[in-house]
Amino acid sequence: GPKVLQIPSHQIIDMGQMVTLNCDPVSNHLYFYWYKQILGQQMEFLVNFYNGKVMEKSKLFKDQFSVERPDGSYFTLKIQPTALEDSAVYFCASSGLGGSQDTQYFGPGTRLLVL
Amino acid sequence: AQSVTQPDARVTVSEGASLQLRCKYSYSGTPYLFWYVQYPRQGLQLLLKYYSGDPVVQGVNGFEAEFIKSNSSFHLRKASVHWSDSAVYFCAVSAPNTNKVVFGTGTRLQVLP
Repeated sequence: GPKVLQIPSHQIIDMGQMVTLNCDPVSNHLYFYWYKQILGQQMEFLVNFYNGKVMEKSKLFKDQFSVERPDGSYFTLKIQPTALEDSAVYFCASSGLGGSQDTQYFGPGTRLLVL
Repeated sequence: AQSVTQPDARVTVSEGASLQLRCKYSYSGTPYLFWYVQYPRQGLQLLLKYYSGDPVVQGVNGFEAEFIKSNSSFHLRKASVHWSDSAVYFCAVSAPNTNKVVFGTGTRLQVLP
């Protein structure tokens, strides 16, 4: 089936540094999402993005977070500066026109460790 | 706001046995409901979804789920499990007027050979 890719698969950085997580969504999809999963806990919605704009975001989407998809390339999640509590697995997802009614296709996740 | 409860963190069954993974949701109207499976080091894959109509939904690999509105439940079932079904299963809910999907905490299924 359709595949979502995430780069890198793992990232270790020092607290206070900037990190960019990259997502290559399904090619004809229009809605994009980021989720955060702390080890052993549930996956939690961070943000969704459509037509160049953030549509919805949760309380977890702190001011240090930003998302963009410049010129139809990667859909990125940037954290600047990072904090210890940002350590988690971040999943990207995409769906076609129809938003959450459409099937969301997930990437394999990026494991972020902030030291 | 919608929410999901998966009361069983772990379930262990023998290969060939039947399976039910429990899911209860909280939402005032009729939600969109999903079951996803996550294999190690992979992203979530959709098993099945319910929007409306027949409350029993068929999914991939012999899985099915039944939407029972009176019980606010959407339990996942399979008649006979295989060892390859071992994975983490997530129930999820979405309200029709939002793009946000809320996931449960997941149930880790172990199938013993």
